[in-house]
Amino acid sequence: EAGVTQFPSHSVIEKGQTVTLRCDPISGHDNLYWYRRVMGKEIKFLLHFVKESKQDESGMPNNRFLAERTGGTYSTLKVQPAELEDSGVYFCASSQSGAGAHEQYFGPGTRLTVT
Amino acid sequence: DAKTTQPPSMDCAEGRAANLPCNHSTISGNEYVYWYRQIHSQGPQYIIHGLKNNETNEMASLIITEDRKSSTLILPHATLRDTAVYYCIVSQGYNFNKFYFGSGTKLNVKP
Repeated sequence: EAGVTQFPSHSVIEKGQTVTLRCDPISGHDNLYWYRRVMGKEIKFLLHFVKESKQDESGMPNNRFLAERTGGTYSTLKVQPAELEDSGVYFCASSQSGAGAHEQYFGPGTRLTVT
Repeated sequence: DAKTTQPPSMDCAEGRAANLPCNHSTISGNEYVYWYRQIHSQGPQYIIHGLKNNETNEMASLIITEDRKSSTLILPHATLRDTAVYYCIVSQGYNFNKFYFGSGTKLNVKP
């Protein structure tokens, strides 16, 4: 079974540019989460999709961040325009519904560097 | 934010049991206790979870006190590959799992 995949693994962009991160969850997983760790800080929750609907987006830092999950499959997280403080590692996780939601499977992360 | 308290670091000898404590004194009746770990910069990895009863799987055991205000993760025979940051998390579970990771405990397994 393929795990959660994220693309790209590393992205370096300049302040003011746009970057789109992609997450492919495990097939059949209805729940999809985005987290991030900025330098020296803890891993923070960003948002949670159930299929294509946003269940909880309380962790999104501001309106420069836009997440989508069209068709309830893969998800994208767009940062526009990127700021220096957006640098960090962005993790995606997925889980099944119901009792299977206890176990979130995390991807390897995308390391974003904004210069 | 984080509703748990963990020691920042612990050492363990290879082959010995590693006992990682966690305090969660404000846990609600419907909240589960989860343990995840992060090895190097990889994505966090699920270890185990529980509600009231003690739990065991192929990776670890979870001991939850009767009042549910604290718990202990036990790795029965630690290996060098268990060196990681271990996170104790409380959450409502099911489709409401918004995890707060906190600072975790850095477990150093030494030969």
